[in-house]
Amino acid sequence: GESVGLHLPTLSVQEGDNSIINCAYSNSASDYFIWYKQESGKGPQFIIDIRSNMDKRQGQRVTVLLNKTVKHLSLQIAATQPGDSAVYFCAEMRPNFGNEKLTFGTGTRLTIIP
Amino acid sequence: NAGVTQTPKFQVLKTGQSMTLQCAQDMNHNSMYWYRQDPGMGLRLIYYSASEGTTDKGEVPNGYNVSRLNKREFSLRLESAAPSQTSVYFCASSEWIPNYGYTFGSGTRLTVV
Repeated sequence: GESVGLHLPTLSVQEGDNSIINCAYSNSASDYFIWYKQESGKGPQFIIDIRSNMDKRQGQRVTVLLNKTVKHLSLQIAATQPGDSAVYFCAEMRPNFGNEKLTFGTGTRLTIIP
Repeated sequence: NAGVTQTPKFQVLKTGQSMTLQCAQDMNHNSMYWYRQDPGMGLRLIYYSASEGTTDKGEVPNGYNVSRLNKREFSLRLESAAPSQTSVYFCASSEWIPNYGYTFGSGTRLTVV
């Protein structure tokens, strides 16, 4: 079936190091992808997005890479800080004739070790 | 601040009680959504409203009803709460086609005892 999933449910990274969170998707028709960050007790917050006509997009300390050949999405966080500790979700959107909705993965918990 | 506002933030219900979760957005979005989030399960769509006047079932609609009161407000009602409905509930909104993603509220933590 179609799914958006993550390779690792948890990830621990030393403060100051870079972290990479991965996501696999199964529908080659998906054309829009988003990474969300969810801190404890809060709602998911938009971090960065990428459309299928791109393979890389950079924000402030974050980079999203899209590999359409293997249907893989990754979020790179540079120089991690304690405030980066959170659950990170990927989401995909598939064209659906005006009925588009996002499909979310289950999330990866990122813990920053001081 | 612009965004999605949910009330209440916390609620404890007894089995069989009813309640309505409120959601309002001030971004002039057409579409609104209700999700529940359980540990290890990610976000599951309960109901959504693509535009004012329309509502549709999502992945887990049983035990819930919704009302799109106007363009700003989308409420979720539990008619007879069950312990299985203990969860964190999130409301979200987006453009009709979510080409810029969803904006989420801060959530309602509901416990049914």
